[in-house]
Amino acid sequence: AQSVTQLDSQVPVFEEAPVELRCNYSSSVSVYLFWYVQYPNQGLQLLLKYLSGSTLVKGINGFEAEFNKSQTSFHLRKPSVHISDTAEYFCAVSPGSARQLTFGSGTQLTVLP
Amino acid sequence: DAGVTQSPTHLIKTRGQQVTLRCSPKSGHDTVSWYQQALGQGPQFIFQYYEEEERQRGNFPDRFSGHQFPNYSSELNVNALLLGDSALYLCASSGLQGGVGYNEQFFGPGTRLTVL
Repeated sequence: AQSVTQLDSQVPVFEEAPVELRCNYSSSVSVYLFWYVQYPNQGLQLLLKYLSGSTLVKGINGFEAEFNKSQTSFHLRKPSVHISDTAEYFCAVSPGSARQLTFGSGTQLTVLP
Repeated sequence: DAGVTQSPTHLIKTRGQQVTLRCSPKSGHDTVSWYQQALGQGPQFIFQYYEEEERQRGNFPDRFSGHQFPNYSSELNVNALLLGDSALYLCASSGLQGGVGYNEQFFGPGTRLTVL
């Protein structure tokens, strides 16, 4: 079984400041790692994914994440946030051989003017 | 490409009733997964359909059932609704497109179910 812990439920940050959203996971098998974003009253949109290879993954909208196997972490970062980045962000894992996603409880990112 | 579509957008039911939600996968995808997202929480996996059969199931009671049709579209049925079934129900599709195939899922906008 897998589990995902998102360490911060809410992260307020000023516009143009950097941000890091933290994610730790637990799994007895190798996993694929994902970050999704959810805007109000909408479904989930994939930001980025780690499958294998380089541990630094770049996604859409200027986001990136780094996979750290020893610390079982997959933190999401953006060097300069915009008001439009205000949304709920979910970290998720999927076993390499199975298909369902296990999600964390989410981090609400609020970008302040 | 229309992406994943779901209907209806919103639904209001009373306790004890039954509900059916519908999902059409992204073009080229053959696998449909359903998730329940309660308010303020992350999505929880309900089950997954492939080749018209339930292949995997999360920790949900038998009141939750589903179906997949030959055109890969899917239905989620919930019987004997409880207040706690109020949530956003998300459908996701996957397939051999997109690099990693079945481990990359594309989500629809969801159906908001309110049980009174």
